[in-house]
Amino acid sequence: NAGVTQTPKFQVLKTGQSMTLQCAQDMNHEYMSWYRQDPGMGLRLIHYSVGAGITDQGEVPNGYNVSRSTTEDFPLRLLSAAPSQTSVYFCASSRQGKQYFGPGTRLTVT
Amino acid sequence: SQQGEEDPQALSIQEGENATMNCSYKTSINNLQWYRQNSGRGLVHLILIRSNEREKHSGRLRVTLDTSKKSSSLLITASRAADTASYFCATERSGSARQLTFGSGTQLTVLP
Repeated sequence: NAGVTQTPKFQVLKTGQSMTLQCAQDMNHEYMSWYRQDPGMGLRLIHYSVGAGITDQGEVPNGYNVSRSTTEDFPLRLLSAAPSQTSVYFCASSRQGKQYFGPGTRLTVT
Repeated sequence: SQQGEEDPQALSIQEGENATMNCSYKTSINNLQWYRQNSGRGLVHLILIRSNEREKHSGRLRVTLDTSKKSSSLLITASRAADTASYFCATERSGSARQLTFGSGTQLTVLP
């Protein structure tokens, strides 16, 4: 199993640009989530999904959209990038409460 | 806002010593989990302790949970240089549909 994969690993955007961070898992987990991690801080939940077709907001959802058309994929869209969205983004899937994290995407918005 | 807060923020010990990290939280929980993050990597799950459990072991790891004090501790025995990483506690709040809230972490450095 590849586990949780994320692409790209690194991305630089200009203010106002949009992009999609990809996340996929091959463990058939129903629950998936997106977090951001800022320096010296823990992870903060952006959006999560309890199954295909069902998404909900986390702690910091503004400026981000998600969709879940399949069990495997959970993309995160930045609608109009802002410097405050410079961060490392982690996708995770979950089984029995335990979360499995992807390697992260380091995003810089200039 | 952060549900869990780790203490200390940074810890430096010699190889072979034990490392203890503490976590405090604010609300009722279903479970509390500890994760490790090596520099530049994703988080790796270490151990999960449910709200009705008081202690759990996994290899060199020992976790305790005191729900009356809303606190947990992670003990790593006989530490190794490879244990150098950031350690995060995460709580699944009661009624939260499996959402986790993470603390800000403890940076552990194990000196060879």
